[in-house]
Amino acid sequence: SQTIHQWPATLVQPVGSPLSLECTVEGTSNPNLYWYRQAAGRGLQLLFYSVGIGQISSEVPQNLSASRPQDRQFILSSKKLLLSDSGFYLCAWSVVGIEETQYFGPGTRLLVL
Amino acid sequence: KQEVTQIPAALSVPEGENLVLNCSFTDSAIYNLQWFRQDPGKGLTSLLLIQSSQREQTSGRLNASLDKSSGRSTLYIAASQPGDSATYLCAPNFGNEKLTFGTGTRLTIIP
Repeated sequence: SQTIHQWPATLVQPVGSPLSLECTVEGTSNPNLYWYRQAAGRGLQLLFYSVGIGQISSEVPQNLSASRPQDRQFILSSKKLLLSDSGFYLCAWSVVGIEETQYFGPGTRLLVL
Repeated sequence: KQEVTQIPAALSVPEGENLVLNCSFTDSAIYNLQWFRQDPGKGLTSLLLIQSSQREQTSGRLNASLDKSSGRSTLYIAASQPGDSATYLCAPNFGNEKLTFGTGTRLTIIP
């Protein structure tokens, strides 16, 4: 069966510090991978998605970046965090096929102070 | 720009009642639509996926319907239980393998 992991679960960082959030998927090959952010009182916003190693599409301009160094690993990064980067970050995966269901990880709660 | 609206934003009903959650979207050319539930501080759990060619999809006490022409989907929950309390999100796929999420309906089932 497939599983998706995210870490850390919770993170408190000062403004201007770097960020690295990791997401890994097990039990599937060549998944589509997604990073979403859910800010307080707002819906989920798609930040990045990837259809393969090294292939990243950005949905919104921001000071975040994403990388996919391995087939089942997706990393969200920032060189300098802003207060507005606080939120709940969710990673998801899907396989292109008949269903195309997206499956979500447990999320990382980021608080920038 | 594709927009997804979920009304009401919050809903409280007594245990045992049947209820309907609504989702509307501005672009009727969808590929499929997913309903998720999210418990506080947790990730999303996929409940149902309904393809554009389908009118409805059922899983246990849940039934999702889709009316593409009017840009609407509903999630029907039968015989509600306190464990159904969560935020419910609908997310159409407009054919580009990306989901567009509504802001959700926060459901509280009163024991």
